[in-house]
Amino acid sequence: EAQVTQNPRYLITVTGKKLTVTCSQNMNHEYMSWYRQDPGLGLRQIYYSMNVEVTDKGDVPEGYKVSRKEKRNFPLILESPSPNQTSLYFCASQPNPDSSGFQPQHFGDGTRLSIL
Amino acid sequence: SQQGEEDPQALSIQEGENATMNCSYKTSINNLQWYRQNSGRGLVHLILIRSNEREKHSGRLRVTLDTSKKSSSLLITASRAADTASYFCATDATGTYKYIFGTGTRLKVLA
Repeated sequence: EAQVTQNPRYLITVTGKKLTVTCSQNMNHEYMSWYRQDPGLGLRQIYYSMNVEVTDKGDVPEGYKVSRKEKRNFPLILESPSPNQTSLYFCASQPNPDSSGFQPQHFGDGTRLSIL
Repeated sequence: SQQGEEDPQALSIQEGENATMNCSYKTSINNLQWYRQNSGRGLVHLILIRSNEREKHSGRLRVTLDTSKKSSSLLITASRAADTASYFCATDATGTYKYIFGTGTRLKVLA
């Protein structure tokens, strides 16, 4: 089954304690992306990656890091989490947006982070 | 912020009625997409319209795009209780690979 898998699904942690949210896709997609969703603000893009070792900032990258060492994985790293990073996070993937026959993003089920 | 806006923020209708939601965006785009989200779950793609298209249909969905006004609308005809969800538009700006999502419309269809 084609899917985007995020872990953990839920996490409560404390300010300053480094955490990593993993994202893995089994569709051989080139493009992967992280979003955060906050009430009244919709989804905002944090980082995206066009392919292995190619990452770029979205609209709200401050306080986050990403890496793309393998095509299937795109972890989101919070080096020193703060309460304003409490949010619902989504990972998504899609085939190369530049390829003919544009295909939409596939989303994971989300990770709810609470930072106290 | 480049974030798009949608209106209404919330919409409540009776089963069988049509639901219309609107999206406005700020930049030139390649495509505009509509997604659906059920109660905090992941988003599911509904329909895509390219910047050179004006209208597109898929089942009970009809999407229009007006690039001169930088706006789009999604019409769901003959709504069902199962259509209850949040709906988001998303654009990819020309020359970038970034996605900008709207703030969403919460649709409630009453049986």
